[in-house]
Parts: sequence; C-alpha cells; structure tokens
Amino acid sequence: QVHLVESGGGVVQPGGSLRLSCASSGFTFRSFGMHWVRQAPGKGLEWVAVVSFDGSDTNYAASVTGRFKISRDTSKNTLYLQMHSLRTEDTAVYFCAKEGCGGGDCNTFASWGQGTLVTVSS
Amino acid sequence: DIQMTQSPSSLSASVGDRVTITCRASQSISSSLNWYQQKPGKAPTFLIYDASSLQSGVPSRFSGSGSGTAFTLTITSLQAEDSATYYCQQSYSTPPTFGGGTKVEIK
Repeated sequence: QVHLVESGGGVVQPGGSLRLSCASSGFTFRSFGMHWVRQAPGKGLEWVAVVSFDGSDTNYAASVTGRFKISRDTSKNTLYLQMHSLRTEDTAVYFCAKEGCGGGDCNTFASWGQGTLVTVSS
Repeated sequence: DIQMTQSPSSLSASVGDRVTITCRASQSISSSLNWYQQKPGKAPTFLIYDASSLQSGVPSRFSGSGSGTAFTLTITSLQAEDSATYYCQQSYSTPPTFGGGTKVEIK
C-alpha cells in the first residue's frame, strides 16, 4: 500500500526559506515521477512541481519558477521541495503525490500524502 | 495553460439522488481528464482517470464521461459518505490544472 508522509512545514517570514520532505513507502519509488500540489486555506488545488522518475527532468508552475526546487533521493525514498523567497501567497497545505504511470509522466495524481501546512507571515 | 471550469460550485442533494457535475476545458484535451474527491481536512483521493475509467476500489455508483472539452462526473445513488468536494483535472498538458471544485452536501 502506498504511503506518503510529508514533513517540514511551519511558519516562516516573507522572504524566508523552507524545505519540505515526503517520505515514501509501499511502492518502487525510483520507478515513478512525483509531484507537489498545494491548497491555500479554503481554496482549490494548485499543481506546484514535478520530478521525473529518475530525477533527470523537472517542471514548475509559473508562480514558483525560480524560487522553488523539487528533487528526490532514491536511496532514502524521499521527495523534497526547497522553497526560497517565500511570499504570503505561498501559504498553503502542500501535498506530495505519486504519479499515476510508471516510467513516464502522465500528470495524474494517483496517491497523496496527508499534507503539511506552510504559513508565510510576518 | 488550459483552464478548467466546473459547475455548479456547490449542490445539495438527498441520499439516493442522482448527482451530475460538469467540467469544461478551455481547449480540447481528448480524454485526458481525472476526477478527485476531497473530504474536509483530508487529502484528495483519486476517483476516475481518462475521463471514464474507475480507479481500483472506487464504488461503481461513480462514473465519468465526456471527451474534447466537456466532461461529467455522475453519482448514480448518492450516499452520505459522498459528502465532499470534487475536482476535475486535465492531464493533457503541463502544467496540469484543476477545476475550482464542486462541493456536494447531503440534505
């Protein structure tokens, strides 16, 4: 059974940095792309970033390009999101999600973690 | 970016009712359309992929249809546990984008 557990959220001042982690188990981590999706309080879902199954390719939403970096450590079965220059509008619950198709990128979020809250506030 | 528009934004229905949610894409996305269910305070769960294929374990009262720019999610006999917000999402191109959500409440 797929199990995804995010951590690293918290309160940070505007302009600050934070690194989120997503520990994965229950599937062959190195075979699947991984995503970050966020949800601002009371709002809908917004895709943030994706890393390919082998870490060779990444892609970002325009709203975070140049500020966020997605990466993965296959030896630790862990996904990361390094966030810099945080803004108040980045306040959200951040979910990691497993790609729906192995070895490829089909932009489908088959399994989700429980989320970690990031609050950007002075 | 492809824009996804859902309607209605909310609805109230009784147990046993048939419920239909509509999702429209700003351009053709073939059948690259997914549906998710999200209950309050929880992560979304994956319901339907490729517009009409039911994810394993999802009750058969859920179904999806459509192609091109117009899609529907139907719950044939609403149950109390179906109270949730439903999101459509296009997987046709990057960035993947979501509809604004439809909140389903039980009368």
